[in-house]
Parts: sequence; C-alpha cells; structure tokens
Amino acid sequence: GAGVSQTPSNKVTEKGKYVELRCDPISGHTALYWYRQSLGQGPEFLIYFQGTGAADDSGLPNDRFFAVRPEGSVSTLKIQRTERGDSAVYLCASTSIGKAGLYEQYFGPGTRLTVT
Amino acid sequence: SQQGEEDPQALSIQEGENATMNCSYKTSINNLQWYRQNSGRGLVHLILIRSNEREKHSGRLRVTLDTSKKSSSLLITASRAADTASYFCATRSYNTDKLIFGTGTRLQVFP
Repeated sequence: GAGVSQTPSNKVTEKGKYVELRCDPISGHTALYWYRQSLGQGPEFLIYFQGTGAADDSGLPNDRFFAVRPEGSVSTLKIQRTERGDSAVYLCASTSIGKAGLYEQYFGPGTRLTVT
Repeated sequence: SQQGEEDPQALSIQEGENATMNCSYKTSINNLQWYRQNSGRGLVHLILIRSNEREKHSGRLRVTLDTSKKSSSLLITASRAADTASYFCATRSYNTDKLIFGTGTRLQVFP
C-alpha cells in the first residue's frame, strides 16, 4: 500500500475488556514497530518485529500486552483486561532499510484507545 | 522510558521568523532523527543525522549534532503557519533498532 495503515482509528472499550489493534505496514518492509503515546508525551516504544519474530519486546508494560506478526506483514497488538491507564494513541511504524543500515520509520495514523 | 528531553516545551513565533528546538539525550547513539506530528496522530520523518555527522540540511531545515554534549538542535528557517506542529527528536542506539523519543516541542507559527 501507499503507507502504513492502522485499524480501527478509534476504539472505546470498557475496563476489563479485550482489544485488538491492527497494523498494515508498507509493502516489503520487514521491520515493524509498535509505540504508545500518551497525551502531551512523545511516543514510547513497545515492541519491534523483524519478519515474524519479536526482536525486542522490552517496552511492553506487562503481560496483558501481546503482539503477533504471523506472516511477517500485518501485525496485531492485543491488550487483555484493559485498564483506564491503557488509554493512549497506539502508533505503528515500519522501516525501510537505507544505505549503511540507517533507518527512517514510516508511521501510521494511530489508533486512539479509550478505556472507560 | 523516554531518553530525550526537548526544550522549549512550547514555542510561538510569527511567520518568517526562525524556530530553534533543542534535544538532549542520555546514551551513545547510532543516529538521531527528527519527526513532526500534527494533531497528535501520525508522525512524519523530517531528517536523520548520523553520529559521525555534525550538521545536515534539508530545505528549510538545519540539524546539528554534538555527541560530546549529547545534544541536537533543529532549526526551521523562514517559518510558515503550516509548520505549526509538534516536533520530536528520536535516537537510535547501536545495539537496538528501536527509537527512543524525546518529550517534544509544540511549535505555533502565527500568520
């Protein structure tokens, strides 16, 4: 596709519910990143995939958060037993590897998650 | 945790003036990138500077990097109302591919 797409654009859920957020990266990009951005803050790293495997999941806040990328393209971020503190914009990015292994990341528009 | 600290937190200027934003970070880096964000949603990559570079230009943008001070600055010359947005620095270290973002500078350019 032309860019990174994320669905849904907005999600409102009740505390304790389960949610799935989807990311479609740019075609051909092997690396995919998830970030979370709270109001007035910069994006905070959650997890990074290289192909199908999670290369770095050190940013996941706890075991309620899980992400998959089974075929090395689309990724789903899953949040169990949502809490009000999970409310944020969840951003997905994919990477084009340029010369010398430098990376600029292409971001999707984000999913705004609101937990009531 | 966020590595970068940016200042000022907010900046208001008139069209035509220059805007300078500063970023400080904590650890050794492979490169530093600047991103722009409108309305709290998707980020757009502006410019990337490698750790062995000291200055880089792209159109009206000028970025400097001082690795001895662990700091960078972004200069936007001849600002326009359309430059109104939040600007973030992000660093990439050698042993990881993730980006660590700063706290951001909110720029308002008045026509």
